[in-house]
Amino acid sequence: DTGVSQDPRHKITKRGQNVTFRCDPISEHNRLYWYRQTLGQGPEFLTYFQNEAQLEKSRLLSDRFSAERPKGSFSTLEIQRTEQGDSAMYLCASSLVPRETQYFGPGTRLLVL
Amino acid sequence: GESVGLHLPTLSVQEGDNSIINCAYSNSASDYFIWYKQESGKGPQFIIDIRSNMDKRQGQRVTVLLNKTVKHLSLQIAATQPGDSAVYFCAEGTGTASKLTFGTGTRLQVTL
Repeated sequence: DTGVSQDPRHKITKRGQNVTFRCDPISEHNRLYWYRQTLGQGPEFLTYFQNEAQLEKSRLLSDRFSAERPKGSFSTLEIQRTEQGDSAMYLCASSLVPRETQYFGPGTRLLVL
Repeated sequence: GESVGLHLPTLSVQEGDNSIINCAYSNSASDYFIWYKQESGKGPQFIIDIRSNMDKRQGQRVTVLLNKTVKHLSLQIAATQPGDSAVYFCAEGTGTASKLTFGTGTRLQVTL
C-alpha cells in the first residue's frame, strides 16, 4: 500500500453515462497525476496538478474529461458521455516536489458497456 | 485475476537466477528514469530510479544501469524470487517532478 487511495476500484457503466473517480494522494504530496492504462500497454499521462493548479493536460484528455483538485488535496476525474473506448484503468499518482518519485494508487477499472 | 499485459515481451527465469530487463528510451532530453513493477489488478509499484548524471544505481537486490549514449536502460534483479513475477515498466521524465512516459513493459515469469 503506497498511501495513495482511489475510489471506486471498479465501475461498470452504460455508454452515454457520466462517471466520476476520486483520488486521495499521500497527505503531504503537492503534485497529483492522472494516467490511463489499457490492457497490454503502459500508463499514459492525462493531466497533473501542483496543489490546486492544473499545470498540464495531455491531448488524450478530450473535452469530455475534466479533472479538479479544489483544495489541493484529493482530486476528481469526471468523464461525461462515456464511450466504449473510455474503458481502461485510471491511475492516480502523487509526488512531493522537488522529489521525483511518483507513487501510484491501485487504480479504478472502468468498463463502458 | 485480470492480466496487466496480454501480449508483452516475456522473460522467463528460474528461481535463484539473475534477471535482466531492458528498455530503450527515445527522448534525448529525458533526465530522470524509473522502474515500476505491476502485478495483475494493481497499480505500478516503485522499484528504483536514476537521474541522468549517474550511470548506475543499486538498491536491495536490484540495480539500474543507464547508457545515455545509446539511450538504454536496464534493470537487474539478483536471485530472482517467485514474488518478482510481474510486468515491469521503465518510464522517463524531463525536468523536475514532471509527467512520466512509460515503455511497453516486460512480463517476468519466475519458474521453480
